[in-house]
This record gives sequence, C-alpha cells and structure tokens, in this order.
Amino acid sequence: GNSVTQMEGPVTLSEEAFLTINCTYTATGYPSLFWYVQYPGEGLQLLLKATKADDKGSNKGFEATYRKETTSFHLEKGSVQVSDSAVYFCALSPNAGGTSYGKLTFGQGTILTVHP
Amino acid sequence: GAGVSQSPSNKVTEKGKDVELRCDPISGHTALYWYRQSLGQGLEFLIYFQGNSAPDKSGLPSDRFSAERTGGSVSTLTIQRTQQEDSAVYLCASSTPGQGYEQYFGPGTRLTVT
Repeated sequence: GNSVTQMEGPVTLSEEAFLTINCTYTATGYPSLFWYVQYPGEGLQLLLKATKADDKGSNKGFEATYRKETTSFHLEKGSVQVSDSAVYFCALSPNAGGTSYGKLTFGQGTILTVHP
Repeated sequence: GAGVSQSPSNKVTEKGKDVELRCDPISGHTALYWYRQSLGQGLEFLIYFQGNSAPDKSGLPSDRFSAERTGGSVSTLTIQRTQQEDSAVYLCASSTPGQGYEQYFGPGTRLTVT
C-alpha cells in the first residue's frame, strides 16, 4: 500500500534559519504529492503540490521538488519566520491522467517552532 | 466563497452513546472525504464520496462507523456505541475535478468520549 514517511520532529529554529523537512514515499504508479500546513488552532491548509516527476511546488517562500528517483518530496525554505511555526504534513494521492483523485495518505507530521 | 464547514465544532459524549457529525462541502464540489486526526494514529483516511456513492470506505475502523451523503452535498458521519478510542478530531474535505481534485479541509469536529 501507499505510505509517507516524514522526518521526526519537533524542529526548532531561529528566525531566518534555513528549513528542510524530509519526506519520502512508497506508492505504485505516479502519485501526486502535497505539503499541508496546520497553524495553531486552525484547519489543514494546502501549502504546495506537485503532480508529476521533477515538478517543483512553491508557495509563501516554501519549495519542494518531486524526485521520483529518490521517491522524495522534501520541503525547504531559505529563511523561516516566527509565523511559520506550525505542523507540516507531507501527503500523497493516487494519480490518474494527471489529475489526483481519491484519498490522501499523510505522513506523521512535523512540528516546527521558530524563535525570534 | 464559503469553505467547508463542520458541526458541531466540539462534541463530548458518554461511552456507548451514538454521535452524528456533519459536513457541508464547498458548493459544487463533487468529491467529499472524511479523515480522523488522533495523537496515536496521526491523520487517517476514513471514507470517500463521489456524488452520493462511496467508492472507497476502506478506512472505516469498524462497523460502528457509517457515513452517508445526500443530494451530492451534505454528509453525515455516524459513530454508534462510541468508545474512548474514538476520541479524535474528525476532518472533512471536499474537492472537484475542475481544481485538480485539490482537497479543501474544514475546521474539524473534536470528539471526546468520556
């Protein structure tokens, strides 16, 4: 079956530090890949996505590149802010004809805390 | 426009009671998903609706759990004879082919079984 593995947290950084959260996956075929973010007291929000190999998703200064050869989708940001403190979830969805469908399989989540 | 809404936002119930959780998807979204978020299990898929039918209900943990969707819109997740291990946040999401099936999540219902 499909699975997603994220680096274990929590991750604590100082403001303006570089962030990497590792994510690897196991899936048949060519899934779509996502990063979701959950800010304190809020619901899950899509941060970025990539639907095929070598695609780069980006949003709010965050980036992740779909690497089929290493089955990875690592999240990076060059300079984190206090407001980036949240829980980050890597996820995948089965893909058909370039359009994802069906259920999301999530990683276990990584808690990020950014200090001033 | 309006996002996905869920009600109630919090529910405390006694072990053995039945509960109903409601999800109102974004208007026009044909697909609807239920997930559960708990400390021990993380985020787990429960069931997926396309229109009013459920082609994938593989994540429902037991026959105490059921869900329906009517009019291609509102969905209700019912848990019968609740147990303490059912305590979790139940999340609903909706999506549509026109937006690449990107899933939009509601705020969740926090269920506490005492």
